[in-house]
Parts: sequence; C-alpha cells; structure tokens
Amino acid sequence: AQTVTQSQPEMSVQEAETVTLSCTYDTSESDYYLFWYKQPPSRQMILVIRQEAYKQQNATENRFSVNFQKAAKSFSLKISDSQLGDAAMYFCAYRITTSGTYKYIFGTGTRLKVLA
Amino acid sequence: NAGVMQNPRHLVRRRGQEARLRCSPMKGHSHVYWYRQLPEEGLKFMVYLQKENIIDESGMPKERFSAEFPKEGPSILRIQQVVRGDSAAYFCASSPEDRYLTGELFFGEGSRLTVL
Repeated sequence: AQTVTQSQPEMSVQEAETVTLSCTYDTSESDYYLFWYKQPPSRQMILVIRQEAYKQQNATENRFSVNFQKAAKSFSLKISDSQLGDAAMYFCAYRITTSGTYKYIFGTGTRLKVLA
Repeated sequence: NAGVMQNPRHLVRRRGQEARLRCSPMKGHSHVYWYRQLPEEGLKFMVYLQKENIIDESGMPKERFSAEFPKEGPSILRIQQVVRGDSAAYFCASSPEDRYLTGELFFGEGSRLTVL
C-alpha cells in the first residue's frame, strides 16, 4: 500500500522554540522523493523542503531540517527558532515512479500552532 | 513567471448543476495534477494529465467527474450534477517536463466549491 502517515493532527510550539513533526510512509519503491509542504491559512501549498531517497545526508533549508531514516521509512521535519509565520498545516508527501508515470501521495497533515 | 492559476477561487452551485474548474499551469509545465481537499483533511489525488492525455485517473469518481488538458488552454475539471458531498477545495498542481530537476509540484491557490 502507498500511504503517508502523520500521527500528530495538531502540534503547538512556543515562539523561538523547536518542534518536530513526524511522518512515516509505506512504499516498496527504492527511488523516490520526499517532501514537506506548508499550507498557510491563505491555502496555497508551498514547498518547505525536499529529500531524494538515494541521498543519505539530511536536507536542510535555513530553520527547517529533516531526519530521514530510510530503513524505518520515517521523514520527520524539525523547525528551529519557530516564528509566528510558521503557523500552518504541514503535509508530508512522497513521489514514486509507477508504470513510467509519477504519483504523489500526501499525508493528512499536522496543524502547527505557534504561541507568542 | 506566473504561478499556477486557478479560477474561479470560489464557486457556488445548486444540486444538479455543473461545476467547471480551470487550471493554467506554470509556464513551461506540461503535467497537471488535480487534488481534492475536504475540511480538516489531506489532499486526495484525483487525476494526472499531460497535454491531451489522461495519464492516471484512478482517484477520480467514475461518474459525474471528468478532466481534460487540451493542447491549447487550461486544464478543466468538470463535475456534472453536483451533490453536497462535492463541496470541497480543489487544488491543481503542475510540474515541468523534466521532472528530474526538482521533483516538486507547484500548487495553485485552489478553487472552493460549495454546493447548496
């Protein structure tokens, strides 16, 4: 089954603190991409960070970093020095190649609240 | 470079009417994906199209729903004889021909359909 599980429907973090959002996935593919997307209240999805499965080094983008555990099929997102603007829904996703086409599977999301 | 453009942003229909949602991908992108998002839920894949071809429609209901991406013009998601359960946000995303560049999807702001 091709699934993405985000077990935390909602998380809260104090401004300037660090928070980690969890994500696990299930795929039999060996080559795939992983993504974290952010959906602010304006609703447009924005890419936060991406990771190629063949790369062992964890991706980082400024205050955002991932902990990619390929064997465990885990892809958590760490947000450091949280800011009020980080408040949003966060979706974990992966892309696989199947029958020569690309398929993107999304999790159900984690709502992040940032407390002033 | 304009982003993915969706219109209308909001659409209200009465039960039994037709809804047409349009999506213009980013310039140079020839792959379009449609997703549906119900309140407080994740993105559910509906259909994946390339110019003039439906690549994967496994997520789209067999009845009442159709999608196209003509050689010229935007991609259209069409819902005939709408029912209240069709009320949702419909998101379009596009990717470039050479997906190996980044692998990511670029999203529009979504179209919110309300069925009375």
